[in-house]
Amino acid sequence: DAGVTQSPTHLIKTRGQQVTLRCSPISGHKSVSWYQQVLGQGPQFIFQYYEKEERGRGNFPDRFSARQFPNYSSELNVNALLLGDSALYLCASSFLDRTEAPWQERNNEKLFFGSGTQLSVL
Amino acid sequence: DAKTTQPTSMDCAEGRAANLPCNHSTISGNEYVYWYRQIHSQGPQYIIHGLKNNETNEMASLIITEDRKSSTLILPHATLRDTAVYYCIVRVPHTGGFKTIFGAGTRLFVKA
Repeated sequence: DAGVTQSPTHLIKTRGQQVTLRCSPISGHKSVSWYQQVLGQGPQFIFQYYEKEERGRGNFPDRFSARQFPNYSSELNVNALLLGDSALYLCASSFLDRTEAPWQERNNEKLFFGSGTQLSVL
Repeated sequence: DAKTTQPTSMDCAEGRAANLPCNHSTISGNEYVYWYRQIHSQGPQYIIHGLKNNETNEMASLIITEDRKSSTLILPHATLRDTAVYYCIVRVPHTGGFKTIFGAGTRLFVKA
């Protein structure tokens, strides 16, 4: 079975440009999360989407936006790129089942990560 | 902010057990402890998670103290390929549910 796929794998942009990163979740997974990982640090939470709705947002500026499509794939958009946006962008999918009791749904969630998109802003 | 604290780095000899500690003193009664690892330039990989009881799978064992304020991930026979950053995570509540917040993790070096 295919895992989480992300495209492109590498990207080079210049300051001020806009970028779109793409993610396809594991088949059957309805939730997608996005993370930013700067060299030497742990992944930082950006967004989580479930059933095409935003369920959570990390401490990132409005230049960062995302959406989820009916097939549960997702795009992350970053506008007005800054040098500090250079990072590995990771997508993770998970199987959330809203028919489960809320505490189970919220607490029993394994994330499956893609290999990421390495974005360099020059 | 992450709800866990871990040592910055650890060494382990190849073939020996690697025991990675984690403190999560503010954990609530229904919150799970998760472990992920990240090998250089790859996405994090889920290892194991647990609530109260000790857990074991094909990758590792998870020992959770009775008061649930700390846990230990055990790799029973570490290999060179286990060299990675290991993250201990207790998920953080937010308005939409819970989110997985990574700390700095423990960098494990397995040496021949």
